[in-house]
Amino acid sequence: QKEVEQDPGPLSVPEGAIVSLNCTYSNSAFQYFMWYRQYSRKGPELLMYTYSSGNKEDGRFTAQVDKSSKYISLFIRDSQPSDSATYLCASLSGTYKYIFGTGTRLKVLA
Amino acid sequence: KAGVTQTPRYLIKTRGQQVTLSCSPISGHRSVSWYQQTPGQGLQFLFEYFSETQRNKGNFPGRFSGRQFSNSRSEMNVSTLELGDSALYLCASTLPGGGGQETQYFGPGTRLLVL
Repeated sequence: QKEVEQDPGPLSVPEGAIVSLNCTYSNSAFQYFMWYRQYSRKGPELLMYTYSSGNKEDGRFTAQVDKSSKYISLFIRDSQPSDSATYLCASLSGTYKYIFGTGTRLKVLA
Repeated sequence: KAGVTQTPRYLIKTRGQQVTLSCSPISGHRSVSWYQQTPGQGLQFLFEYFSETQRNKGNFPGRFSGRQFSNSRSEMNVSTLELGDSALYLCASTLPGGGGQETQYFGPGTRLLVL
């Protein structure tokens, strides 16, 4: 079992829709959780960073962590075609070692 | 401030050859991590260097090696290339902030094709 699991998609939604991207993790010791966005032929860029359980909001993006169910989510409100990318969840395993999900491909249709 | 740079961007090699990839971190960043990204496996951690020392290593065979120089630039080497080594190799640099809340900044990657 991978330490961080993510549905690969692809996920297609119409412009303006609310998008929900999800990951599960297996190691209850994980404390820090991240979401990265990766456009085609580019490296991943950090979107959101959360610690432990709870929600964190940044503009149209909300990251949510539920440690009781080992579930992490990213919500995108009012999705735009420019949000079309691969979204990667990640957690910090120990010191300076990041574990990534395989990524979910999102396509927002105009 | 310039971002993480990686060279070369694209590379074609044949089985059995070796390859060296280079990464220049963001100025002031002393930690450099390397990842292999493939469609099936996603991003997999190779190793992490800080102050010229390897601090963490992923589950890759010994054909994959790396090093870091005193100016924080890093190289990774893959010897005896196999077809399965075809992937996007990403480098990320980090400015350690303490408490484990380090943010990784990725370069654009080197796309390696092994024929």
